Amino acid sequence: KQEVTQIPAALSVPEGENLVLNCSFTDSAIYNLQWFRQDPGKGLTSLLLIQSSQREQTSGRLNASLDKSSGRSTLYIAASQPGDSATYLCAVPNSGNTPLVFGKGTRLSVIA
Amino acid sequence: DGGITQSPKYLFRKEGQNVTLSCEQNLNHDAMYWYRQDPGQGLRLIYYSQIVNDFQKGDIAEGYSVSREKKESFPLTVTSAQKNPTAFYLCASSPDATVNYGYTFGSGTRLTVV
Repeated sequence: KQEVTQIPAALSVPEGENLVLNCSFTDSAIYNLQWFRQDPGKGLTSLLLIQSSQREQTSGRLNASLDKSSGRSTLYIAASQPGDSATYLCAVPNSGNTPLVFGKGTRLSVIA
Repeated sequence: DGGITQSPKYLFRKEGQNVTLSCEQNLNHDAMYWYRQDPGQGLRLIYYSQIVNDFQKGDIAEGYSVSREKKESFPLTVTSAQKNPTAFYLCASSPDATVNYGYTFGSGTRLTVV
């Protein structure tokens, strides 16, 4: 059964720093990986979806990479802002294209 | 605007009561999902449906029931058999159950036992 681990569990950085969030998964036979953002008490907002054939995806200041062979993905946030403060979750299918399995998330605080 | 609507936003359940959480989507998505989130925890899958009139159990289905009579709707009933129902419930949908083109989530329902 797929297991997803996110490190660190929490992170606090000053505004303007570049930062990296890590996600690892145990079953590398995945078709894709999706990164989400969750604000307190809210639903999830999709940030990036990386297909297994891709090595990375970019959206604005966000860049996500995927290394299937090592079972790892990273989310890079450039020039962090206080508005980036949220919990970031990564998710992969349990196997193939079955429903997503989620990590516990990284809670990010960007201090002005 | 297309999206997923969950209602109510807050729900209070008395001991021994069944309650139903609503999830409606106008995205024309085939697949729909229910997840449960507890404080400091990741999301755990309760049930999912790949097509109308069909659904499968997830990892924590005990004490829950669902129906999928219409493509747009996937209500979740929390029964009295669910001993610890206090949690944040999230509904999601995706265009296709066999290929992940990305999940869209609703804004959630917070259920509290009183």
